[in-house]
Amino acid sequence: EPEVTQTPSHQVTQMGQEVILRCVPISNHLYFYWYRQILGQKVEFLVSFYNNEISEKSEIFDDQFSVERPDGSNFTLKIRSTKLEDSAMYFCASRVLAGDQNEQFFGPGTRLTVL
Amino acid sequence: RKEVEQDPGPFNVPEGATVAFNCTYSNSASQSFFWYRQDCRKEPKLLMSVYSSGNEDGRFTAQLNRASQYISLLIRDSKLSDSATYLCVVTRASGYSTLTFGKGTMLLVSP
Repeated sequence: EPEVTQTPSHQVTQMGQEVILRCVPISNHLYFYWYRQILGQKVEFLVSFYNNEISEKSEIFDDQFSVERPDGSNFTLKIRSTKLEDSAMYFCASRVLAGDQNEQFFGPGTRLTVL
Repeated sequence: RKEVEQDPGPFNVPEGATVAFNCTYSNSASQSFFWYRQDCRKEPKLLMSVYSSGNEDGRFTAQLNRASQYISLLIRDSKLSDSATYLCVVTRASGYSTLTFGKGTMLLVSP
């Protein structure tokens, strides 16, 4: 069964460093998302991406964040200068079609630890 | 007011019990409604969509009341494997199906 994959599974970085989190969505999916979950808190939306551009973003997704689909398969989230409060689990998700009832499939997540 | 509010939990129940989860949402323009399940330190996985007419999938029954902005999930005959956090999720009225999550209610089913 096709699945969303994410690498790395765990990333440890120093405050102020840049990190790139990678995702490979399901191959025929058209809509891509990043969410994050700080330990013990709810899952929060960061950004959605469709047709090679950002379609929606939350107030969390400030100038420190960027997303890119550099080739036909990868979907990346870059944090330019990490802060302690960026420590969280980051989930990538993808969806095949328009229409709200279409399921978003989540990847296993990347645990980001900022020291 | 939080966008999606759920019972804080945890719920501790014996195997075979029936357990009900409640959820309210604040945005009356929310379009679609779901229950997701999240195991510890894992990704959320869709359990079921919730329709206005109510829907059932085996031991799981979901109900939606748009007038009250209330969603429920009932699990009958609980199994040990049902132990997880249950997330109430709604979509924003944005057209891009962005998901808004509740904090979740943890369920612990004991033998």
